[in-house]
Amino acid sequence: DQQVKQNSPSLSVQEGRISILNCDYTNSMFDYFLWYKKYPAEGPTFLISISSIKDKNEDGRFTVFLNKSAKHLSLHIVPSQPGDSAVYFCAASLNYGGSQGNLIFGKGTKLSVKP
Amino acid sequence: SQTIHQWPATLVQPVGSPLSLECTVEGTSNPNLYWYRQAAGRGLQLLFYSVGIGQISSEVPQNLSASRPQDRQFILSSKKLLLSDSGFYLCAWARTGYSPLHFGNGTRLTVT
Repeated sequence: DQQVKQNSPSLSVQEGRISILNCDYTNSMFDYFLWYKKYPAEGPTFLISISSIKDKNEDGRFTVFLNKSAKHLSLHIVPSQPGDSAVYFCAASLNYGGSQGNLIFGKGTKLSVKP
Repeated sequence: SQTIHQWPATLVQPVGSPLSLECTVEGTSNPNLYWYRQAAGRGLQLLFYSVGIGQISSEVPQNLSASRPQDRQFILSSKKLLLSDSGFYLCAWARTGYSPLHFGNGTRLTVT
């Protein structure tokens, strides 16, 4: 039973437009959410996070939105660049920080940004 | 700066053979260390984590084991590989229990 779901395995966006990656979760006890980006032949790298006490966190071109009532979060990339092409993993944690070994990952969404 | 090294990058092993994957971290001391696996069509799954030398917590019962013989060394092992052990294995570290994970580049293991 998947607790963190990324229902879109892939997404294609034109350069300069907005990319929206979605993630749904089932466990209402999750209190910390993270996005990781992964290039081929590399490990995932931390991108941005949000705690459950917030509904938005912004870092440059990346913004994460959290809708607790819908158990849904999304990552917005504006404007999208070809270098953003990668697999994006959503992850959730049962304790703040998420590094106690309780990170639950989604399957990932492959983003392709076309020039 | 901190770096994490994981090797080998790819590995093909026959069923029943042993396994040893090694991971080392540089530039930090007493990190939390983790082994994750991504099987085909699935998300990343935590296998083991360690908060100190000799301290290993297992998240999923399986054919694998982990050891931490030194502060910045984490080893994933198996005595006899199964076909189901195939997957992408990632080592990761974190500064504390409340820091984001930093992953290595992974090992693609194929058991034939």
